[in-house]
Amino acid sequence: DGGITQSPKYLFRKEGQNVTLSCEQNLNHDAMYWYRQDPGQGLRLIYYSQIVNDFQKGDIAEGYSVSREKKESFPLTVTSAQKNPTAFYLCASRIAGDLSEQYFGPGTRLTVT
Amino acid sequence: KQEVTQIPAALSVPEGENLVLNCSFTDSAIYNLQWFRQDPGKGLTSLLLIQSSQREQTSGRLNASLDKSSGRSTLYIAASQPGDSATYLCAVSTGANSKLTFGKGITLSVRP
Repeated sequence: DGGITQSPKYLFRKEGQNVTLSCEQNLNHDAMYWYRQDPGQGLRLIYYSQIVNDFQKGDIAEGYSVSREKKESFPLTVTSAQKNPTAFYLCASRIAGDLSEQYFGPGTRLTVT
Repeated sequence: KQEVTQIPAALSVPEGENLVLNCSFTDSAIYNLQWFRQDPGKGLTSLLLIQSSQREQTSGRLNASLDKSSGRSTLYIAASQPGDSATYLCAVSTGANSKLTFGKGITLSVRP
């Protein structure tokens, strides 16, 4: 089955630790995205990548970092510099072009205490 | 800056009712608009995608319309069922790299 996988589903970390969230897709999509969702909020874009080895900051990139070494993988690192890291993180992908649909993974809930 | 608004934030209806969910956006220069469904604690499921040149799209009991000039879209759900209970989000694609801007969603509860 084609799709987007995110692991783990739940993640717990102590304050001050960096943590990496995994996102893998086997849809052969070119573009990949990371969003953050907080209660009562719309999704906010953290980072996105249109092609391998290239990525751009979204609206709330501070305290986060990404890499895109392979087409199918787009891991997100939440660093200790992120002031409010507890949130639901969603990865998405789509094929190239301005008119295509975005598909989402199941999400990772990160709790930092 | 594009802003997307979905009002009301929550809606409760009896089973069987036809209903309309509204979405408005401030910048009419969009590539497309997507409606998503999100169940609690889950990711987003794409329901319908409307390109900027289209007026509506249909999938089963769902019909989405787009009026780009007025910055509005509606999602029509026919004969609602308890299984339709979820949060419905709309998102518009604008600007460089077609980034999506999301509304905050409408949480729908369909009462048996």
